[in-house]
Amino acid sequence: EIVLTQSPVTLSVSPGERATLSCRASQSVSSKLAWYQQKLGQAPRLLIYDASNRATGIPARFSGSGSGTDFTLTISSLEPEDFAVYYCQQYTNWPRFGPGTKVDIK
Amino acid sequence: QVQLQQWGAGLLKPSETLSLTCAVYGGSFSGYYWSWIRQAPGKGLEWIGEINHSGSSIYNPSLESRVTISIDRSKNQFSLKLSSVTAADTAVYYCSRRRASGSFDLWGRGTLVPVSS
Repeated sequence: EIVLTQSPVTLSVSPGERATLSCRASQSVSSKLAWYQQKLGQAPRLLIYDASNRATGIPARFSGSGSGTDFTLTISSLEPEDFAVYYCQQYTNWPRFGPGTKVDIK
Repeated sequence: QVQLQQWGAGLLKPSETLSLTCAVYGGSFSGYYWSWIRQAPGKGLEWIGEINHSGSSIYNPSLESRVTISIDRSKNQFSLKLSSVTAADTAVYYCSRRRASGSFDLWGRGTLVPVSS
């Protein structure tokens, strides 16, 4: 089974700064990786699919990159509403999520 | 705009069966996989299983022996049953739509299901 590892566990960033989140797969998932944002008490929201494609309505400050086993979610300039938990998810065999990275205010 | 509305029983006792239903409003049932995902308090997301419009289902191997997902095409609804629950099954349960390409693009609001004696 493919295991996803996310780093860091917590990322402390100031508004306006850049945030870089990492997701690593235990074996290649090609580009079959998505990123989600989850705020407290809410359902997750799809941000990025197929590693680098923004979902409908997602601001351009969110970007995804990578393929194979190493993936990155970049938030170019953090807005107050971006402080949340971010999950990656692979979809080979069956869907599986990473443990999440919490982005909080520095 | 497509929406998912979910409902089901709340507090359960150990050994009971969890039962939730999700209705799809405003969109087609075909061409997608209709999934259940759960999140234990303070924990990450765990995919439970899914079903397509034809009724073909697949489950998380760790839950497969206790899970049944069914579909009612006449009502545009799909349902989850999880048998023999324990406290470890306490979680918020989400219904979700998974695209054929793999990502979950639509989510229900979630239902908290506590399991306690």
